[in-house]
Amino acid sequence: KNQVEQSPQSLIILEGKNCTLQCNYTVSPFSNLRWYKQDTGRGPVSLTIMTFSENTKSNGRYTATLDADTKQSSLHITASQLSDSASYICVVSATGGSYIPTFGRGTSLIVHP
Amino acid sequence: GAGVSQSPSNKVTEKGKDVELRCDPISGHTALYWYRQSLGQGLEFLIYFQGNSAPDKSGLPSDRFSAERTGGSVSTLTIQRTQQEDSAVYLCASSSYSTGTGVEQYFGPGTRLTVT
Repeated sequence: KNQVEQSPQSLIILEGKNCTLQCNYTVSPFSNLRWYKQDTGRGPVSLTIMTFSENTKSNGRYTATLDADTKQSSLHITASQLSDSASYICVVSATGGSYIPTFGRGTSLIVHP
Repeated sequence: GAGVSQSPSNKVTEKGKDVELRCDPISGHTALYWYRQSLGQGLEFLIYFQGNSAPDKSGLPSDRFSAERTGGSVSTLTIQRTQQEDSAVYLCASSSYSTGTGVEQYFGPGTRLTVT
Protein backbone atom coordinates (compact mmCIF):
# COMPACT_ATOMS: atom_id res chain seq x y z
CA LYS A 1 0.00 0.00 0.00
CA ASN A 2 1.30 3.44 -0.96
CA GLN A 3 1.99 5.55 2.10
CA VAL A 4 3.52 8.92 2.92
CA GLU A 5 4.69 9.62 6.46
CA GLN A 6 5.68 13.08 7.64
CA SER A 7 7.53 14.24 10.72
CA PRO A 8 7.34 16.02 12.98
CA GLN A 9 3.57 16.30 13.27
CA SER A 10 3.96 19.84 14.55
CA LEU A 11 6.80 22.27 15.08
CA ILE A 12 7.18 25.63 16.79
CA ILE A 13 10.15 27.86 16.01
CA LEU A 14 11.17 31.46 16.50
CA GLU A 15 11.14 33.92 13.64
CA GLY A 16 14.45 33.97 11.81
CA LYS A 17 15.35 30.38 12.66
CA ASN A 18 15.75 27.55 10.18
CA CYS A 19 13.85 24.27 10.24
CA THR A 20 13.65 20.99 8.35
CA LEU A 21 10.57 18.89 7.73
CA GLN A 22 10.79 15.22 6.81
CA CYS A 23 8.84 12.97 4.46
CA ASN A 24 9.24 9.21 4.02
CA TYR A 25 7.28 7.36 1.37
CA THR A 26 6.61 3.87 0.09
CA VAL A 27 4.91 4.89 -3.16
CA SER A 28 6.02 2.72 -6.03
CA PRO A 29 6.81 3.02 -8.87
CA PHE A 30 7.85 6.56 -8.04
CA SER A 31 7.02 9.40 -10.40
CA ASN A 32 7.40 12.65 -8.49
CA LEU A 33 7.16 14.28 -5.10
CA ARG A 34 5.62 17.64 -4.32
CA TRP A 35 5.66 19.80 -1.22
CA TYR A 36 2.56 21.90 -0.69
CA LYS A 37 1.98 24.76 1.73
CA GLN A 38 -1.51 25.08 3.19
CA ASP A 39 -2.37 28.25 5.06
CA THR A 40 -5.21 28.09 7.55
CA GLY A 41 -8.54 28.23 5.76
CA ARG A 42 -6.97 27.95 2.33
CA GLY A 43 -6.27 25.21 -0.16
CA PRO A 44 -2.77 23.74 -0.58
CA VAL A 45 -0.36 25.55 -2.90
CA SER A 46 2.57 23.78 -4.57
CA LEU A 47 6.06 24.84 -3.44
CA THR A 48 8.29 22.41 -5.31
CA ILE A 49 8.12 19.29 -7.45
CA MET A 50 10.92 16.75 -7.71
CA THR A 51 11.35 13.84 -10.07
CA PHE A 52 13.51 10.75 -9.69
CA SER A 53 16.66 12.35 -11.07
CA GLU A 54 16.53 15.51 -8.96
CA ASN A 55 18.28 15.77 -5.60
CA THR A 56 17.65 19.37 -4.65
CA LYS A 57 15.27 22.09 -5.70
CA SER A 58 14.86 25.56 -4.26
CA ASN A 59 12.03 28.04 -4.25
CA GLY A 60 13.15 31.17 -2.45
CA ARG A 61 13.75 30.30 1.20
CA TYR A 62 12.37 26.79 0.65
CA THR A 63 14.76 24.01 -0.36
CA ALA A 64 13.54 20.48 -0.98
CA THR A 65 15.81 17.44 -1.17
CA LEU A 66 15.06 13.97 -2.45
CA ASP A 67 16.84 10.67 -1.88
CA ALA A 68 15.07 8.23 -4.16
CA ASP A 69 17.17 5.32 -2.87
CA THR A 70 16.03 5.71 0.72
CA LYS A 71 12.66 7.14 -0.33
CA GLN A 72 13.07 10.21 1.80
CA SER A 73 12.54 13.90 1.19
CA SER A 74 13.06 16.97 3.30
CA LEU A 75 11.89 20.56 3.13
CA HIS A 76 14.26 23.10 4.62
CA ILE A 77 13.02 26.56 5.46
CA THR A 78 15.67 29.23 5.90
CA ALA A 79 15.29 32.39 7.97
CA SER A 80 11.70 31.67 8.85
CA GLN A 81 9.05 34.37 8.73
CA LEU A 82 5.72 34.67 10.49
CA SER A 83 4.02 34.01 7.15
CA ASP A 84 5.64 30.58 7.02
CA SER A 85 3.17 29.46 9.70
CA ALA A 86 1.14 26.83 7.85
CA SER A 87 0.75 23.12 7.24
CA TYR A 88 3.31 21.59 4.88
CA ILE A 89 2.11 18.56 2.98
CA CYS A 90 4.25 16.00 1.16
CA VAL A 91 2.52 14.44 -1.85
CA VAL A 92 3.90 11.54 -3.88
CA SER A 93 2.66 10.35 -7.27
CA ALA A 94 3.26 7.00 -8.90
CA THR A 95 3.77 6.15 -12.55
CA GLY A 96 1.76 3.59 -14.48
CA GLY A 97 -1.31 5.63 -15.14
CA SER A 98 -2.29 6.31 -11.54
CA TYR A 99 -3.56 9.85 -11.36
CA ILE A 100 -4.39 9.85 -7.67
CA PRO A 101 -1.42 11.00 -5.59
CA THR A 102 -0.77 9.92 -2.02
CA PHE A 103 -0.88 12.70 0.56
CA GLY A 104 0.95 12.86 3.87
CA ARG A 105 -0.87 14.20 6.92
CA GLY A 106 1.26 17.30 6.94
CA THR A 107 3.51 19.08 9.42
CA SER A 108 1.99 22.03 11.21
CA LEU A 109 4.58 24.80 11.53
CA ILE A 110 4.10 27.76 13.84
CA VAL A 111 6.57 30.62 13.69
CA HIS A 112 6.59 32.87 16.75
CA PRO A 113 7.93 36.44 16.78
CA GLY B 1 -6.57 34.61 -13.94
CA ALA B 2 -9.14 33.32 -11.50
CA GLY B 3 -8.27 30.28 -9.46
CA VAL B 4 -10.46 27.44 -8.31
CA SER B 5 -13.46 28.67 -6.38
CA GLN B 6 -15.74 26.77 -4.05
CA SER B 7 -19.04 27.59 -2.42
CA PRO B 8 -20.22 27.88 0.20
CA SER B 9 -17.09 28.52 2.26
CA ASN B 10 -18.85 27.23 5.35
CA LYS B 11 -21.91 25.05 5.73
CA VAL B 12 -23.62 24.00 8.94
CA THR B 13 -26.36 21.43 8.56
CA GLU B 14 -28.42 19.15 10.73
CA LYS B 15 -27.84 15.44 10.74
CA GLY B 16 -29.98 13.76 8.10
CA LYS B 17 -30.16 16.74 5.75
CA ASP B 18 -28.74 16.77 2.22
CA VAL B 19 -26.03 19.24 1.20
CA GLU B 20 -24.56 20.38 -2.12
CA LEU B 21 -21.05 21.71 -2.46
CA ARG B 22 -19.96 23.54 -5.59
CA CYS B 23 -16.63 23.79 -7.36
CA ASP B 24 -15.68 26.10 -10.23
CA PRO B 25 -12.35 24.89 -11.69
CA ILE B 26 -9.82 26.98 -13.56
CA SER B 27 -11.08 27.61 -17.07
CA GLY B 28 -9.66 25.09 -19.52
CA HIS B 29 -8.64 22.54 -16.91
CA THR B 30 -9.88 19.13 -17.97
CA ALA B 31 -9.22 17.27 -14.72
CA LEU B 32 -11.14 17.89 -11.51
CA TYR B 33 -10.68 16.21 -8.12
CA TRP B 34 -12.68 16.22 -4.90
CA TYR B 35 -10.93 15.53 -1.60
CA ARG B 36 -11.97 15.43 2.02
CA GLN B 37 -9.70 16.72 4.78
CA SER B 38 -10.59 15.81 8.32
CA LEU B 39 -8.89 17.40 11.32
CA GLY B 40 -5.38 16.03 11.70
CA GLN B 41 -5.73 13.77 8.68
CA GLY B 42 -4.27 13.83 5.21
CA LEU B 43 -6.32 14.58 2.16
CA GLU B 44 -8.65 11.71 1.30
CA PHE B 45 -9.41 11.24 -2.39
CA LEU B 46 -13.12 11.12 -3.20
CA ILE B 47 -13.71 11.36 -6.95
CA TYR B 48 -11.91 12.32 -10.17
CA PHE B 49 -13.32 13.73 -13.42
CA GLN B 50 -11.33 13.86 -16.66
CA GLY B 51 -12.93 15.42 -19.70
CA ASN B 52 -15.85 13.37 -20.96
CA SER B 53 -14.60 10.11 -19.49
CA ALA B 54 -16.52 8.23 -16.84
CA PRO B 55 -15.47 9.58 -13.41
CA ASP B 56 -13.37 7.57 -11.01
CA LYS B 57 -15.65 7.21 -8.00
CA SER B 58 -13.44 4.76 -6.14
CA GLY B 59 -12.85 7.11 -3.22
CA LEU B 60 -16.45 7.86 -2.35
CA PRO B 61 -16.97 6.53 1.20
CA SER B 62 -20.62 5.52 0.79
CA ASP B 63 -23.56 5.69 -1.59
CA ARG B 64 -24.69 8.83 0.23
CA PHE B 65 -21.95 10.66 -1.67
CA SER B 66 -22.28 11.55 -5.35
CA ALA B 67 -20.83 14.13 -7.70
CA GLU B 68 -21.56 15.57 -11.10
CA ARG B 69 -19.61 17.70 -13.50
CA THR B 70 -21.77 19.55 -16.00
CA GLY B 71 -20.38 20.63 -19.33
CA GLY B 72 -16.88 19.67 -18.32
CA SER B 73 -16.67 22.64 -15.98
CA VAL B 74 -18.57 23.20 -12.75
CA SER B 75 -18.86 20.27 -10.36
CA THR B 76 -21.27 19.60 -7.52
CA LEU B 77 -20.61 17.18 -4.67
CA THR B 78 -23.81 16.01 -2.99
CA ILE B 79 -23.99 14.35 0.40
CA GLN B 80 -27.34 12.83 1.26
CA ARG B 81 -28.60 12.17 4.77
CA THR B 82 -25.53 13.76 6.32
CA GLN B 83 -23.91 12.17 9.36
CA GLN B 84 -21.68 13.78 11.98
CA GLU B 85 -18.68 11.88 10.63
CA ASP B 86 -19.15 13.77 7.34
CA SER B 87 -17.93 16.93 9.09
CA ALA B 88 -14.71 17.95 7.35
CA VAL B 89 -13.24 20.37 4.85
CA TYR B 90 -14.08 19.39 1.28
CA LEU B 91 -11.43 20.52 -1.19
CA CYS B 92 -11.71 20.69 -4.95
CA ALA B 93 -8.70 20.79 -7.28
CA SER B 94 -8.24 21.06 -11.02
CA SER B 95 -5.35 20.42 -13.37
CA SER B 96 -4.64 20.87 -17.03
CA TYR B 97 -3.45 17.45 -18.23
CA SER B 98 -5.19 14.14 -18.62
CA THR B 99 -2.87 11.85 -16.69
CA GLY B 100 -2.52 13.96 -13.61
CA THR B 101 0.81 12.60 -12.49
CA GLY B 102 3.51 15.21 -12.40
CA VAL B 103 1.04 17.97 -13.08
CA GLU B 104 0.23 20.52 -10.43
CA GLN B 105 -3.23 20.40 -8.95
CA TYR B 106 -4.64 23.82 -8.15
CA PHE B 107 -6.81 23.74 -5.07
CA GLY B 108 -9.79 25.80 -4.09
CA PRO B 109 -10.17 27.23 -0.57
CA GLY B 110 -12.47 24.42 0.47
CA THR B 111 -15.91 24.16 2.03
CA ARG B 112 -15.98 23.54 5.76
CA LEU B 113 -18.94 21.28 6.48
CA THR B 114 -20.24 20.90 10.02
CA VAL B 115 -22.98 18.39 10.71
CA THR B 116 -24.74 18.97 14.03
